Amino acid sequence: EVQLLESGGDLIQPGGSLRLSCAASGFTFSRYAMNWVRQAPGKGLDWVSGISDRGGRTFYADSVKGRFTISRDSSKNILYLQMNSLRAEDTAVYYCAKGEGAMDVWGQGTTVIVSS
Amino acid sequence: DVEMTQSPSSLSASVGDRVTITCQASQDISNSLSWYQHKPGTAPKLLIYGSSNLQPGVPSRLSGRGSGTDFTFTISSLQPEDIATYYCQQYGSLPITFGQGTRLQI
Repeated sequence: EVQLLESGGDLIQPGGSLRLSCAASGFTFSRYAMNWVRQAPGKGLDWVSGISDRGGRTFYADSVKGRFTISRDSSKNILYLQMNSLRAEDTAVYYCAKGEGAMDVWGQGTTVIVSS
Repeated sequence: DVEMTQSPSSLSASVGDRVTITCQASQDISNSLSWYQHKPGTAPKLLIYGSSNLQPGVPSRLSGRGSGTDFTFTISSLQPEDIATYYCQQYGSLPITFGQGTRLQI
């Protein structure tokens, strides 16, 4: 079964750092681009970052550029999102999703709350 | 950035109704458009990619069409399990952007 499982969400103070993980199974992870998409409370879906199949190209929304870093470890089938200098507006459920354009597999999400 | 204007923001309909959601891109994205269904507490689900291609396993009462800047998503006969929020998403240029969502209620 194709599956993505996020972890690492937490309650964190403004200015803090957090690393999210997304464990992939049921498909050849290294063959697919991956993304992080978030949903703030009461809001819609918002693309955060993407990475190419081999990890050589990374892309970011302007709102997180310079603060977040996407990476992947194909030996472990894990996607990461390192989040630094967190702000209240980063509070959201974070989903990882498979695909370069259309995203055909999504995880259940992990919750990040940025608050003092 | 490509802005996606989705309408309506909410919609109330009855079982068996034909329902249509529209999405307009601020610039030409060819057919680089997907539609997703999202129910609370679950993972978003890809329904349609490439504007009109049905994802395997998605019922044929769902359809999409359009190219360039104007797109539509249609449910030909609304079923109770279709209650959800629907999003369009463009991937014609980075950053990837989503419409604001349409909350569908019965």
